[in-house]
Amino acid sequence: GESVGLHLPTLSVQEGDNSIINCAYSNSASDYFIWYKQESGKGPQFIIDIRSNMDKRQGQRVTVLLNKTVKHLSLQIAATQPGDSAVYFCAEDYGYALNFGKGTSLLVTP
Amino acid sequence: DSGVTQTPKHLITATGQRVTLRCSPRSGDLSVYWYQQSLDQGLQFLIQYYNGEERAKGNILERFSAQQFPDLHSELNLSSLELGDSALYFCASSAGLATNEKLFFGSGTQLSVL
Repeated sequence: GESVGLHLPTLSVQEGDNSIINCAYSNSASDYFIWYKQESGKGPQFIIDIRSNMDKRQGQRVTVLLNKTVKHLSLQIAATQPGDSAVYFCAEDYGYALNFGKGTSLLVTP
Repeated sequence: DSGVTQTPKHLITATGQRVTLRCSPRSGDLSVYWYQQSLDQGLQFLIQYYNGEERAKGNILERFSAQQFPDLHSELNLSSLELGDSALYFCASSAGLATNEKLFFGSGTQLSVL
């Protein structure tokens, strides 16, 4: 029979290339956004966050861009490495908890 | 290591049973959140406690309950278990009450209901 599961969007990139993972959020009143990385068998791990009064924030090899006009968030990873292979989640503050997107699977190939 | 500890890591039980999942937040964190991660629903917020008091509820079933103790550890109780309750349950903690701050997640408890 047909299997039921969460079919994550998958992004496949070559090692050394830059990766861009996109996320559409739903609540125009959200003032805080955050990206998490989840490796197999582990809990979500914080990558970077951004508040709504900013358009861009940079971390180590990562940049988050926020476009409030179209309610879009992106995560850019520079010089992607095999260790970056994971599922990436964006989350927005709903006022009572963080609400997570479905996630994107990033696969880094040598 | 996030500093959030969850036990047990794996739990296998039968339908109709009751289980308790335990979480110790990061040292100094007062808020504890419980999330359920399943294949078809992604990460779903269940409930939040702050300094011993329930503060917010999400998609938590009536068969599920939680509490936070004076030492700030939290337990999630799941009763009358059904096959569909099989999932990964995460606990996360944060320093304060505000929801617009980063959460630190534990490694999760994998619950299998057979």
